[in-house]
Amino acid sequence: EAQVTQNPRYLITVTGKKLTVTCSQNMNHEYMSWYRQDPGLGLRQIYYSMNVEVTDKGDVPEGYKVSRKEKRNFPLILESPSPNQTSLYFCATKKDTFYGYTFGSGTRLTVV
Amino acid sequence: AQSVTQPDIHITVSEGASLELRCNYSYGATPYLFWYVQSPGQGLQLLLKYFSGDTLVQGIKGFEAEFKRSQSSFNLRKPSVHWSDAAEYFCAVVLYITDKLIFGTGTRLQVFP
Repeated sequence: EAQVTQNPRYLITVTGKKLTVTCSQNMNHEYMSWYRQDPGLGLRQIYYSMNVEVTDKGDVPEGYKVSRKEKRNFPLILESPSPNQTSLYFCATKKDTFYGYTFGSGTRLTVV
Repeated sequence: AQSVTQPDIHITVSEGASLELRCNYSYGATPYLFWYVQSPGQGLQLLLKYFSGDTLVQGIKGFEAEFKRSQSSFNLRKPSVHWSDAAEYFCAVVLYITDKLIFGTGTRLQVFP
């Protein structure tokens, strides 16, 4: 079954404590992306990756890092989380534009 | 700048009633348009998409959407809503050059029995 798996689903952490949200896909897609969802703002792109070792900033990259060392994994790294990064995060992948994006189930992050 | 507008933040309908969710886009060329649904606690599921051709597209779960170039709209419709349709609905457009998916702010649908 085609899947995008995010971990953890829920995370509460303290300001400044580094964390990583993992994302893994089993579809062998080259393109992966991270979004954050906030009430009234919809989903906004944080970072995306066109292929292994190729990443680029989205609309709201400040405070985040990503890496793409292998095709299936695209972790999101918060080096020093702050309360304004409290949000619902989604990882997504796509084969190409025609097929649309496949989203993970989301990670709800709370930074206190 | 390219954008997607969903003017209705929250819509309430009775079960069995018809539904129309509005979506307007701002984009210079013919856009690729999508509707996604997010059920509570779930990820986003693709309902339907428009690329070209027939302006009325059919999707899953009995939904359809109509692309109207003259109105820059891509409204989602369903003739008879079920309680299980209660969710948040997002309209989105793909920017052709960057292939980035840009979302509207969403419409939350509430269904009363």
